[in-house]
Amino acid sequence: GAVVSQHPSRVICKSGTSVKIECRSLDFQATTMFWYRQFPKQSLMLMATSNEGSKATYEQGVEKDKFLINHASLTLSTLTVTSAHPEDSSFYICSAGQGATEAFFGQGTRLTVV
Amino acid sequence: GQQVMQIPQYQHVQEGEDFTTYCNSSTTLSNIQWYKQRPGGHPVFLIQLVKSGEVKKQKRLTFQFGEAKKNSSLHITATQTTDVGTYFCAPGGTSYGKLTFGQGTILTVHP
Repeated sequence: GAVVSQHPSRVICKSGTSVKIECRSLDFQATTMFWYRQFPKQSLMLMATSNEGSKATYEQGVEKDKFLINHASLTLSTLTVTSAHPEDSSFYICSAGQGATEAFFGQGTRLTVV
Repeated sequence: GQQVMQIPQYQHVQEGEDFTTYCNSSTTLSNIQWYKQRPGGHPVFLIQLVKSGEVKKQKRLTFQFGEAKKNSSLHITATQTTDVGTYFCAPGGTSYGKLTFGQGTILTVHP
């Protein structure tokens, strides 16, 4: 299957700083990628749709100025958590689809804000 | 996206026992996908069901899609410790990769 690579896998940052997470499709081009957030023992919640060459589409309740998404190429989308606070600590995961069926997920990034 | 209710939230079984998780929708689904997420890992695609009444098997896993396409189930026969993880259903969306996940069922298998 297709490979989606996410980096970093873990990051600890201080409150008030920004963190950038990268999501790459390694063996296919992805004009659209998706970003999810998952709190412990909860489901994955879609945050936004990342569109290559255009603005991201955010789900209701997700602050677009806090979670900046850039999709400058067909193989890379980035999510920047700006002015991070402890409540932003979570597991962030990206996905991309290829063809007609399944979604491929990155390995996820566990963000801890201290 | 389409909403689904997944039950149970947790399931603890002894190794060798069977396990079933259910996914229910109030509306007709075009299709439904199932994913497995190991502890600390990312979701991995298991299967997609499209047809009314469809039944698919993958070794000890049996997936069903209801006749009305409003519910689905995943059944594992004779669980093993490698089955541990969270199982999610996800109604298929129009944009591949954009998914609305069920609440998930966390499966624990005791050896």
